[in-house]
Amino acid sequence: GAGVSQSPSNKVTEKGKDVELRCDPISGHTALYWYRQSLGQGLEFLIYFQGNSAPDKSGLPSDRFSAERTGGSVSTLTIQRTQQEDSAVYLCASSSPGFPDTQYFGPGTRLTVL
Amino acid sequence: AQSVSQHNHHVILSEAASLELGCNYSYGGTVNLFWYVQYPGQHLQLLLKYFSGDPLVKGIKGFEAEFIKSKFSFNLRKPSVQWSDTAEYFCAVRDSSASKIIFGSGTRLSIRP
Repeated sequence: GAGVSQSPSNKVTEKGKDVELRCDPISGHTALYWYRQSLGQGLEFLIYFQGNSAPDKSGLPSDRFSAERTGGSVSTLTIQRTQQEDSAVYLCASSSPGFPDTQYFGPGTRLTVL
Repeated sequence: AQSVSQHNHHVILSEAASLELGCNYSYGGTVNLFWYVQYPGQHLQLLLKYFSGDPLVKGIKGFEAEFIKSKFSFNLRKPSVQWSDTAEYFCAVRDSSASKIIFGSGTRLSIRP
């Protein structure tokens, strides 16, 4: 596709349920990043992928959060046993090997945990 | 740990006014610095970036930013704002040897027509 896409665009779930958020990066982009943006907060780094491996997962807030990337393309962020404080916009970004510092962002997934 | 501070949470200006948004970071090593912008209903996009060389960086839409190493600052400026500049602006920093980018909390800019 032309840009980074994310699905779903909105997700409402009940506390305690698991959710999966998907990111499709720009074709050919080897680096992929997940961020979280809570109301009134900046972007909080969660995890970085280079290819299928995650050399930096220091931002994952708890062991309820995990992410994987397959085929050097699509990534899935999974939140288990969701809590109300997980409510936020989850943003994905990708960058190309030639320009690693120019990140292209997707539209985000707005997660609401009731 | 690295951090980025944007002291202005919400700035309201009239059209044609001059703009300066503050950004300070805490990191003693070599850094790369960025400003990202998010227009209403749109994705975050890169406005400008500084890696090395001339500390005055020109970006899109008439924006510029100046890296002042002694002050750990990277303030964003525009001489004359337009209504279309209404957006949220994020300053960001990256340790030049690392991969992740640390973002500030953002400044919402509202322009009165």
